[in-house]
Amino acid sequence: KQEVTQIPAALSVPEGENLVLNCSFTDSAIYNLQWFRQDPGKGLTSLLLIQSSQREQTSGRLNASLDKSSGRSTLYIAASQPGDSATYLCAARSGGYQKVTFGIGTKLQVIP
Amino acid sequence: NAGVMQNPRHLVRRRGQEARLRCSPMKGHSHVYWYRQLPEEGLKFMVYLQKENIIDESGMPKERFSAEFPKEGPSILRIQQVVRGDSAAYFCASSYPGGGTHEQFFGPGTRLTVL
Repeated sequence: KQEVTQIPAALSVPEGENLVLNCSFTDSAIYNLQWFRQDPGKGLTSLLLIQSSQREQTSGRLNASLDKSSGRSTLYIAASQPGDSATYLCAARSGGYQKVTFGIGTKLQVIP
Repeated sequence: NAGVMQNPRHLVRRRGQEARLRCSPMKGHSHVYWYRQLPEEGLKFMVYLQKENIIDESGMPKERFSAEFPKEGPSILRIQQVVRGDSAAYFCASSYPGGGTHEQFFGPGTRLTVL
């Protein structure tokens, strides 16, 4: 059974800092790993999706890496801005029916 | 290109009533997934459906919950005789069945409140 853990649960940083969010998963036989952003009371916005054959994906100030052998993924946010404040969710797709398992998320606050 | 649509966005029910949540997948998507997010918790998988078939319902409570995805029309998540513990945000996602990333696209969610 796949389990996804995200550390830290919450993070507060001053504006402009670079930061790293961590995600670990127990079953390395994943199909892909996806990072989402969720604003309070809102739905999920897909940020980056990394296929199992890939090592990283980049979009603007965001870079996500994947290390299947160690069961880890990181989301790197460069030059953080107050608008980046949200909860960031990591989700691993695995299993026969490619079920997606979510972590609880990291709640990020970027202080102006 | 409309995204995944869910309605209603907010639903209030009294204990014992029925709740029906609807999800219209993105155009061309025939795979639908339902997730539940309890307050201060992560999203939990409930059920995976393809047109007219339930593929994986391992995350569905054994009683009171059911889901369908008919040949025509939206997918429906039905909760009978709701209880306060059913209060949560219910998210639907859809994906394209062909080759590719199988990326899931999420709807805005339905927030169910049981009084």
